[in-house]
Amino acid sequence: SQTIHQWPATLVQPVGSPLSLECTVEGTSNPNLYWYRQAAGRGLQLLFYSVGIGQISSEVPQNLSASRPQDRQFILSSKKLLLSDSGFYLCAWGLFGARQPQHFGDGTRLSIL
Amino acid sequence: DQQVKQNSPSLSVQEGRISILNCDYTNSMFDYFLWYKKYPAEGPTFLISISSIKDKNEDGRFTVFLNKSAKHLSLHIVPSQPGDSAVYFCAASATTGNQFYFGTGTSLTVIP
Repeated sequence: SQTIHQWPATLVQPVGSPLSLECTVEGTSNPNLYWYRQAAGRGLQLLFYSVGIGQISSEVPQNLSASRPQDRQFILSSKKLLLSDSGFYLCAWGLFGARQPQHFGDGTRLSIL
Repeated sequence: DQQVKQNSPSLSVQEGRISILNCDYTNSMFDYFLWYKKYPAEGPTFLISISSIKDKNEDGRFTVFLNKSAKHLSLHIVPSQPGDSAVYFCAASATTGNQFYFGTGTSLTVIP
């Protein structure tokens, strides 16, 4: 069966510090991978998605970036965090064309001080 | 532009009664719809889906209805249980796309 791992679960970072969140998927090949953010009291905002290694699509302009160095690995990064980057970050995987739902990791609670 | 909308941020229902959560969409290309359930500090969990070729899909206590002409879908939970208390997100996608569009969520509270 497929599983998705996301870490860390919680992170407290000072403004201006770098960020690296990692997500890995097991049990499937060539998945579509997604990074979402849920800000306090808001819905799920799609940040990035990837349909293959090295292929990244950005949905919103921001100081975050994403990379997919391996088929089942998706990384969310920032060189300098802003206060507005606080939120709950979720990684998800899906297989389009097969009409399958996306499956989410447990999320990372990021607090910027 | 929010293509999927959940206009009710919150809903309270007595245990044993029916919970009805609503969702509207604007893009006529959407043809696959899902509902997710989310507890605090956890990722959303897939609940139920429906394709545009159907107008109803049922799974135990959960039923999703789709009205394509009105661009509206709803999730019915019968009977509601305290463990159903969570935030519910609807989502939609188009065959030609690679992403789902999510609503802003409805927080359901089932009162014992």
